[in-house]
Amino acid sequence: QSVLTQPPSVSGAPGQRVTFSCSGSRSNIGAGYDVHWYRYLPGTAPTLLIYGNNNRPSGVPDRFSGSKSGSSASLAITGLQAEDEADYYCHSYDSSLGGYVFGTGTKVTV
Amino acid sequence: QLVESGGGAVQPGGSLRLSCAASGFTFGNYAIHWVRRTPGKGLEWVASIRFDGSKNYYGEAVKGRFTSSRDNFKNTAYLQMNSLRADDTAVYYCAKGSATYPDWFDPWGQGTLVTVSS
Repeated sequence: QSVLTQPPSVSGAPGQRVTFSCSGSRSNIGAGYDVHWYRYLPGTAPTLLIYGNNNRPSGVPDRFSGSKSGSSASLAITGLQAEDEADYYCHSYDSSLGGYVFGTGTKVTV
Repeated sequence: QLVESGGGAVQPGGSLRLSCAASGFTFGNYAIHWVRRTPGKGLEWVASIRFDGSKNYYGEAVKGRFTSSRDNFKNTAYLQMNSLRADDTAVYYCAKGSATYPDWFDPWGQGTLVTVSS
């Protein structure tokens, strides 16, 4: 079950900045567990975009940035490009459930 | 690199065993996680197995029906799925843990489709 809530969709023009949230609770993000972000393109494997709240793996452009505050986290994409069209999921750990949780997913349209 | 196999079509109540073959890293040093994706629910964590296979963790939806295991000599992880239901229909991915518990997942395999239908 998805206990992390994301907006279903966001859109922006090329070159613009978009940001969207991942809202959790005191048993997951609010408990201090890190938030990670993945990008999913249909027919492909999800790929890690941000780990540990605000760290980019090598190869991920610095147009992508993550932040975390309280029980929520956010992903920002600046200089939006057509290739950024994808589904984005946040991910964390939940101590009440004793397992990992994913966000509901956000579809980014350019 | 991770490569899943073993998916397919099965009737409700049936069983399937998925495999996740790993290469390019020291398999026995990392947890392996299973995640499924459905069009309606997005990504859902299914199961995790510790690096040495000593402990497993399961999502509520599959607890008691699915079992994860691994063979570190064969660099392969497995997900045994029993008592399958229609709502288990999904693409199943395996992913390598980051060894920084709780893990992040990277990389992921390409996924294998499981369809449960009569």
